[in-house]
Amino acid sequence: AQSVAQPEDQVNVAEGNPLTVKCTYSVSGNPYLFWYVQYPNRGLQFLLKYITGDNLVKGSYGFEAEFNKSQTSFHLKKPSALVSDSALYFCAVRDTGGATNKLIFGTGTLLAVQP
Amino acid sequence: DGGITQSPKYLFRKEGQNVTLSCEQNLNHDAMYWYRQDPGQGLRLIYYSQIVNDFQKGDIAEGYSVSREKKESFPLTVTSAQKNPTAFYLCASSLPPGTAFGGYTFGSGTRLTVV
Repeated sequence: AQSVAQPEDQVNVAEGNPLTVKCTYSVSGNPYLFWYVQYPNRGLQFLLKYITGDNLVKGSYGFEAEFNKSQTSFHLKKPSALVSDSALYFCAVRDTGGATNKLIFGTGTLLAVQP
Repeated sequence: DGGITQSPKYLFRKEGQNVTLSCEQNLNHDAMYWYRQDPGQGLRLIYYSQIVNDFQKGDIAEGYSVSREKKESFPLTVTSAQKNPTAFYLCASSLPPGTAFGGYTFGSGTRLTVV
């Protein structure tokens, strides 16, 4: 079955420190991978995507993610966290079973950045 | 600016009532989706539509209905058969399969509460 796992419900980091939010996936074929961010009572906002090409993908607000095919991972990273980065982060992968663009989402990771 | 508009932002439903959540997009996207978000469970797909006058059940379609009479509109009805409708509902849209798929654009959500 195709799936996305975000193993940490919450990640705590001090402002100015690097942050990593983990994501692993399981799909058949080549994955299309995405990260979204959600602020309270808001919709999801696109951060970055991996479709093909360089394994290191740069996105919005200074975030980046590294695609690792052998480990089936797509971890989200930022060199220096800001308090304003505190939000809920979702990893997603395109469902490759069928002619659709359905996305399968992880359960989300709450990032808390302490001042 | 192009985007997706969900209304209302907050909705209260009495027991036994049907309620309809609105979703309108002006992005010229063919595909539209409805997700339900519950704490700790991520996003679960209710219904999706890849083209006007066609839609498919997602993973949790029971107690919900949709229509797709216009490309721009994909309303979701929460029927009295849905026994636990209290949740945050998110509408999204995307390009169809076979195009340069870059992920979803999300609306800002509707919070439905049973009173």
